[in-house]
Amino acid sequence: GDSVTQMEGPVTLSEEAFLTINCTYTATGYPSLFWYVQYPGEGLQLLLKATKADDKGSNKGFEATYRKETTSFHLEKGSVQVSDSAVYFCALSSTQGGKLIFGQGTELSVKP
Amino acid sequence: DAMVIQNPRYQVTQFGKPVTLSCSQTLNHNVMYWYQQKSSQAPKLLFHYYDKDFNNEADTPDNFQSRRPNTSFCFLDIRSPGLGDAAMYLCATSRGRGQTEAFFGQGTRLTVV
Repeated sequence: GDSVTQMEGPVTLSEEAFLTINCTYTATGYPSLFWYVQYPGEGLQLLLKATKADDKGSNKGFEATYRKETTSFHLEKGSVQVSDSAVYFCALSSTQGGKLIFGQGTELSVKP
Repeated sequence: DAMVIQNPRYQVTQFGKPVTLSCSQTLNHNVMYWYQQKSSQAPKLLFHYYDKDFNNEADTPDNFQSRRPNTSFCFLDIRSPGLGDAAMYLCATSRGRGQTEAFFGQGTRLTVV
Protein backbone atom coordinates (compact mmCIF):
# COMPACT_ATOMS: atom_id res chain seq x y z
CA GLY A 1 0.00 0.00 0.00
CA ASP A 2 0.87 3.66 -0.09
CA SER A 3 3.37 4.88 2.50
CA VAL A 4 5.51 7.86 3.50
CA THR A 5 8.95 7.75 5.12
CA GLN A 6 10.55 10.76 6.79
CA MET A 7 13.97 11.28 8.25
CA GLU A 8 13.99 10.65 11.95
CA GLY A 9 14.26 13.44 14.45
CA PRO A 10 14.70 15.28 16.55
CA VAL A 11 16.57 17.82 14.47
CA THR A 12 18.25 20.62 16.38
CA LEU A 13 19.50 23.70 14.55
CA SER A 14 20.76 27.13 15.42
CA GLU A 15 18.76 30.14 14.31
CA GLU A 16 19.42 31.12 10.66
CA ALA A 17 20.71 27.64 9.76
CA PHE A 18 19.59 25.83 6.63
CA LEU A 19 16.93 23.17 7.07
CA THR A 20 16.30 20.00 5.10
CA ILE A 21 13.83 17.33 6.17
CA ASN A 22 13.82 14.35 3.85
CA CYS A 23 10.62 12.67 2.75
CA THR A 24 10.14 9.79 0.33
CA TYR A 25 6.97 8.03 -0.65
CA THR A 26 5.62 4.86 -2.18
CA ALA A 27 2.35 5.15 -4.03
CA THR A 28 0.27 3.87 -6.88
CA GLY A 29 -0.33 6.48 -9.51
CA TYR A 30 0.25 10.18 -8.93
CA PRO A 31 -0.65 11.24 -5.40
CA SER A 32 -0.76 14.80 -4.13
CA LEU A 33 1.93 15.58 -1.57
CA PHE A 34 1.76 17.78 1.50
CA TRP A 35 3.76 19.09 4.40
CA TYR A 36 1.87 19.75 7.62
CA VAL A 37 3.23 21.45 10.74
CA GLN A 38 2.10 20.81 14.30
CA TYR A 39 2.95 23.18 17.13
CA PRO A 40 2.86 21.84 20.70
CA GLY A 41 -0.65 21.01 21.86
CA GLU A 42 -2.21 22.06 18.55
CA GLY A 43 -3.75 20.43 15.51
CA LEU A 44 -2.05 20.13 12.15
CA GLN A 45 -1.74 23.09 9.79
CA LEU A 46 -1.12 22.75 6.10
CA LEU A 47 2.30 24.24 5.31
CA LEU A 48 2.52 23.60 1.57
CA LYS A 49 1.42 21.20 -1.13
CA ALA A 50 2.19 19.96 -4.63
CA THR A 51 -0.20 18.10 -6.87
CA LYS A 52 1.93 16.94 -9.80
CA ALA A 53 5.48 16.10 -10.73
CA ASP A 54 7.95 19.02 -10.70
CA ASP A 55 5.49 21.26 -8.85
CA LYS A 56 7.11 23.35 -6.13
CA GLY A 57 5.07 24.18 -3.07
CA SER A 58 6.15 27.15 -0.98
CA ASN A 59 4.95 29.05 2.07
CA LYS A 60 6.55 31.13 4.85
CA GLY A 61 10.03 30.56 3.42
CA PHE A 62 9.59 26.78 3.24
CA GLU A 63 9.80 24.96 -0.09
CA ALA A 64 9.41 21.43 -1.37
CA THR A 65 9.53 20.05 -4.92
CA TYR A 66 7.58 16.99 -6.09
CA ARG A 67 10.23 14.69 -7.59
CA LYS A 68 8.64 11.71 -9.25
CA GLU A 69 11.91 10.21 -10.45
CA THR A 70 13.19 9.92 -6.88
CA THR A 71 9.72 9.69 -5.25
CA SER A 72 10.70 12.47 -2.89
CA PHE A 73 9.27 15.67 -1.44
CA HIS A 74 12.02 17.11 0.76
CA LEU A 75 11.24 20.18 2.87
CA GLU A 76 13.76 23.04 2.87
CA LYS A 77 14.12 26.45 4.40
CA GLY A 78 17.09 28.73 3.94
CA SER A 79 17.12 30.35 7.37
CA VAL A 80 15.15 28.89 10.27
CA GLN A 81 13.80 30.86 13.20
CA VAL A 82 13.05 29.86 16.78
CA SER A 83 9.36 30.13 15.91
CA ASP A 84 9.76 27.29 13.37
CA SER A 85 10.23 24.81 16.23
CA ALA A 86 7.47 22.23 15.73
CA VAL A 87 6.81 18.75 14.39
CA TYR A 88 6.67 18.47 10.61
CA PHE A 89 4.68 15.74 8.86
CA CYS A 90 5.01 14.74 5.24
CA ALA A 91 1.82 13.26 3.80
CA LEU A 92 0.31 11.99 0.60
CA SER A 93 -3.25 11.87 -0.55
CA SER A 94 -3.82 8.35 -1.73
CA THR A 95 -5.17 7.89 -5.25
CA GLN A 96 -7.26 5.07 -3.79
CA GLY A 97 -9.90 6.78 -1.70
CA GLY A 98 -8.08 10.07 -1.25
CA LYS A 99 -7.30 9.64 2.43
CA LEU A 100 -4.18 11.23 3.88
CA ILE A 101 -1.27 8.97 4.75
CA PHE A 102 1.31 10.51 7.08
CA GLY A 103 4.96 9.97 7.68
CA GLN A 104 6.09 9.51 11.26
CA GLY A 105 6.89 13.18 11.78
CA THR A 106 10.15 15.03 12.39
CA GLU A 107 10.58 17.21 15.43
CA LEU A 108 12.52 20.41 14.77
CA SER A 109 14.04 22.45 17.56
CA VAL A 110 15.65 25.79 16.72
CA LYS A 111 17.91 27.35 19.32
CA PRO A 112 18.65 31.09 19.53
CA ASP B 1 -12.46 32.72 12.18
CA ALA B 2 -11.85 29.08 13.01
CA MET B 3 -13.05 26.73 10.30
CA VAL B 4 -12.86 23.35 12.06
CA ILE B 5 -13.75 23.56 15.72
CA GLN B 6 -13.30 20.81 18.23
CA ASN B 7 -14.82 20.76 21.68
CA PRO B 8 -13.64 20.45 24.29
CA ARG B 9 -9.89 21.10 23.93
CA TYR B 10 -9.21 18.94 26.98
CA GLN B 11 -11.37 16.08 28.23
CA VAL B 12 -10.82 13.93 31.28
CA THR B 13 -12.92 10.79 31.57
CA GLN B 14 -13.01 7.81 33.87
CA PHE B 15 -11.96 4.36 32.80
CA GLY B 16 -14.96 2.68 31.19
CA LYS B 17 -17.19 5.78 31.19
CA PRO B 18 -18.56 6.69 27.75
CA VAL B 19 -17.31 9.95 26.33
CA THR B 20 -18.20 11.99 23.25
CA LEU B 21 -15.97 14.41 21.40
CA SER B 22 -17.44 16.90 18.98
CA CYS B 23 -16.34 18.60 15.79
CA SER B 24 -18.00 21.28 13.72
CA GLN B 25 -17.01 22.94 10.46
CA THR B 26 -17.92 26.11 8.63
CA LEU B 27 -16.32 25.06 5.33
CA ASN B 28 -19.29 23.04 4.04
CA HIS B 29 -16.89 20.23 3.14
CA ASN B 30 -18.23 16.85 2.15
CA VAL B 31 -15.64 14.77 3.96
CA MET B 32 -14.98 14.66 7.69
CA TYR B 33 -12.25 12.57 9.31
CA TRP B 34 -11.37 11.45 12.82
CA TYR B 35 -7.74 10.75 13.62
CA GLN B 36 -6.12 9.44 16.78
CA GLN B 37 -2.64 10.73 17.59
CA LYS B 38 -0.57 9.33 20.41
CA SER B 39 2.48 11.07 21.73
CA SER B 40 5.28 11.52 19.17
CA GLN B 41 3.42 9.51 16.55
CA ALA B 42 1.74 10.23 13.25
CA PRO B 43 -2.03 10.68 13.20
CA LYS B 44 -3.88 7.42 12.65
CA LEU B 45 -7.13 7.50 10.69
CA LEU B 46 -10.04 5.97 12.59
CA PHE B 47 -12.86 6.61 10.11
CA HIS B 48 -14.28 9.16 7.76
CA TYR B 49 -17.59 10.28 6.32
CA TYR B 50 -18.15 11.18 2.72
CA ASP B 51 -21.43 13.04 3.14
CA LYS B 52 -23.47 10.43 5.06
CA ASP B 53 -21.43 7.51 3.79
CA PHE B 54 -19.48 6.11 6.76
CA ASN B 55 -16.08 4.48 6.17
CA ASN B 56 -14.40 2.59 8.98
CA GLU B 57 -10.71 1.71 8.90
CA ALA B 58 -10.16 -2.03 9.22
CA ASP B 59 -8.12 -1.74 12.41
CA THR B 60 -10.34 0.75 14.25
CA PRO B 61 -11.55 -0.87 17.48
CA ASP B 62 -15.28 -1.47 17.92
CA ASN B 63 -15.06 0.72 21.01
CA PHE B 64 -14.97 3.74 18.70
CA GLN B 65 -18.13 4.93 16.98
CA SER B 66 -19.04 8.05 15.05
CA ARG B 67 -22.11 10.04 14.11
CA ARG B 68 -22.62 12.76 11.55
CA PRO B 69 -26.11 14.20 11.97
CA ASN B 70 -25.60 16.90 9.33
CA THR B 71 -22.90 18.40 7.11
CA SER B 72 -21.51 20.65 9.82
CA PHE B 73 -21.18 18.32 12.78
CA CYS B 74 -19.45 15.05 13.51
CA PHE B 75 -19.07 13.21 16.81
CA LEU B 76 -16.65 10.61 18.09
CA ASP B 77 -18.07 8.28 20.73
CA ILE B 78 -15.80 6.09 22.81
CA ARG B 79 -18.06 3.56 24.48
CA SER B 80 -15.72 2.25 27.17
CA PRO B 81 -12.47 4.20 27.28
CA GLY B 82 -9.38 2.34 28.38
CA LEU B 83 -6.06 3.75 29.47
CA GLY B 84 -4.73 3.01 26.01
CA ASP B 85 -7.27 5.37 24.46
CA ALA B 86 -5.63 8.41 26.01
CA ALA B 87 -4.49 10.48 23.03
CA MET B 88 -5.07 13.60 21.00
CA TYR B 89 -8.11 13.23 18.76
CA LEU B 90 -8.06 15.28 15.59
CA CYS B 91 -10.99 16.13 13.37
CA ALA B 92 -10.35 17.16 9.79
CA THR B 93 -12.36 18.05 6.70
CA SER B 94 -11.77 18.10 2.99
CA ARG B 95 -13.81 19.11 -0.04
CA GLY B 96 -13.92 15.67 -1.54
CA ARG B 97 -12.35 12.25 -1.70
CA GLY B 98 -9.99 13.41 -4.40
CA GLN B 99 -6.52 14.63 -3.78
CA THR B 100 -7.35 17.75 -1.86
CA GLU B 101 -5.81 18.94 1.34
CA ALA B 102 -7.40 18.38 4.72
CA PHE B 103 -8.13 21.13 7.24
CA PHE B 104 -7.63 20.19 10.86
CA GLY B 105 -9.17 21.35 14.10
CA GLN B 106 -7.05 22.08 17.15
CA GLY B 107 -7.70 18.66 18.59
CA THR B 108 -9.11 17.30 21.83
CA ARG B 109 -6.63 15.92 24.35
CA LEU B 110 -8.32 12.96 26.07
CA THR B 111 -7.08 11.76 29.44
CA VAL B 112 -8.42 8.54 30.95
CA VAL B 113 -8.17 8.18 34.72
